[in-house]
Amino acid sequence: DIQMTQSPSSLSASVGDRVTITCRTSQSMSNYLNWYQQRPGQAPKLLIYDVSNLQSGVPSRFTGSGSGTDFTLTISSLQPEDFATYYCQQSYNIPWTFGQGTKVEIK
Amino acid sequence: EVHLVESGGGVVQPGGSLTLSCAASEFTFSNSWMYWVRQAPGKGLVWVSRISSDGSFTNYADSVRGRFTISRDNAKNTLYLQMKSLRAEDTALYYCTRDGGYRKFDYWGQGTLVTVSS
Repeated sequence: DIQMTQSPSSLSASVGDRVTITCRTSQSMSNYLNWYQQRPGQAPKLLIYDVSNLQSGVPSRFTGSGSGTDFTLTISSLQPEDFATYYCQQSYNIPWTFGQGTKVEIK
Repeated sequence: EVHLVESGGGVVQPGGSLTLSCAASEFTFSNSWMYWVRQAPGKGLVWVSRISSDGSFTNYADSVRGRFTISRDNAKNTLYLQMKSLRAEDTALYYCTRDGGYRKFDYWGQGTLVTVSS
């Protein structure tokens, strides 16, 4: 199975901050890397697919980048509704696996 | 908009069985690969199983293979997960989700909670 390692596991930030979350995979993959946001008590929501494609309806402050085994989710200016847990996920090999999550908390 | 509604969760004793359902609407269900993903309390997301659009092809996580069976009824727009020999570690919120193309989970249900406990 492909292992997904996110860092940090949690972070504290203020509204307006620029936030970067990284995801490292145990093997190189094509572009099959997605990012999800999960607010407390809610189902996950797709933010970014295929490394850098913004899902319809997702604000442009979210961007994805990376290649090979290293990928990044950036929130350019953190908003109150962005405090949540973020997961990367690979769909290159079955079983599709998720990172352990990065919890973004209010400073 | 796409709508996925899970049901069938509950409390079951270790070794017991349960069948989950996911009712789909507002999209062509028979065109979509469908998935189950679970989340143990306070933990992360774990891929459980998938089924092809016509139901002819399935995959399972190692942790559930041989105990869980995924199926679908395209005439009823419904996805199923039959779970047998349940263990305490199967306790989780089970989400139904679809592959919206490009191998991404673009819509999710709200989940149904399965608790395995004596």
